[in-house]
Amino acid sequence: KAGVTQTPRYLIKTRGQQVTLSCSPISGHRSVSWYQQTPGQGLQFLFEYFSETQRNKGNFPGRFSGRQFSNSRSEMNVSTLELGDSALYLCASSLQAGNNEQFFGPGTRLTVL
Amino acid sequence: KNEVEQSPQNLTAQEGEFITINCSYSVGISALHWLQQHPGGGIVSLFMLSSGKKKHGRLIATINIQEKHSSLHITASHPRDSAVYICAAQPNSNYQLIWGAGTKLIIKP
Repeated sequence: KAGVTQTPRYLIKTRGQQVTLSCSPISGHRSVSWYQQTPGQGLQFLFEYFSETQRNKGNFPGRFSGRQFSNSRSEMNVSTLELGDSALYLCASSLQAGNNEQFFGPGTRLTVL
Repeated sequence: KNEVEQSPQNLTAQEGEFITINCSYSVGISALHWLQQHPGGGIVSLFMLSSGKKKHGRLIATINIQEKHSSLHITASHPRDSAVYICAAQPNSNYQLIWGAGTKLIIKP
């Protein structure tokens, strides 16, 4: 089985722009979670999607949004980028919602200049 | 105080040494996860456990529910084990994992 894929792997944007990141889960997995990782901060939960519905949301501003499609692929969008949004964005898929064993993608490294 | 604490933050050891990384948590949990993150970002799930002990190759994870403590051990450590090891607690009351800050392990040849 192919693993979790994320595109793009690297992205450079400037303040004020918006960005869309994509995550394709493992085939058959219906839950996708998104995390932000910044140096020294550890992983911060953004949101979880299951069957096209957002099940949980972390403590992030409304500039961060996401969605899930019928094929379980997920996208997250960050609008009006700030310097502090520079981070590694990871998605993880699992068979069901509720943090069964999660399989992580390689991440998208976003740099905001 | 963080709800999930890992120690040590950094660990440097020689190849072949027995490694122990600790994780303490303060909430009631249904499971405890151990994950490995290599330089470059990729994260791999190592263990998910709710009681006792699990073993996979040279890696052993244990958990003591009463003491709210888990350990990850690596036997016969090798430079390729160099990575950040992260524990994450899955609370009883919430789906969302509570993440530790990670332990950066360096194994020198």
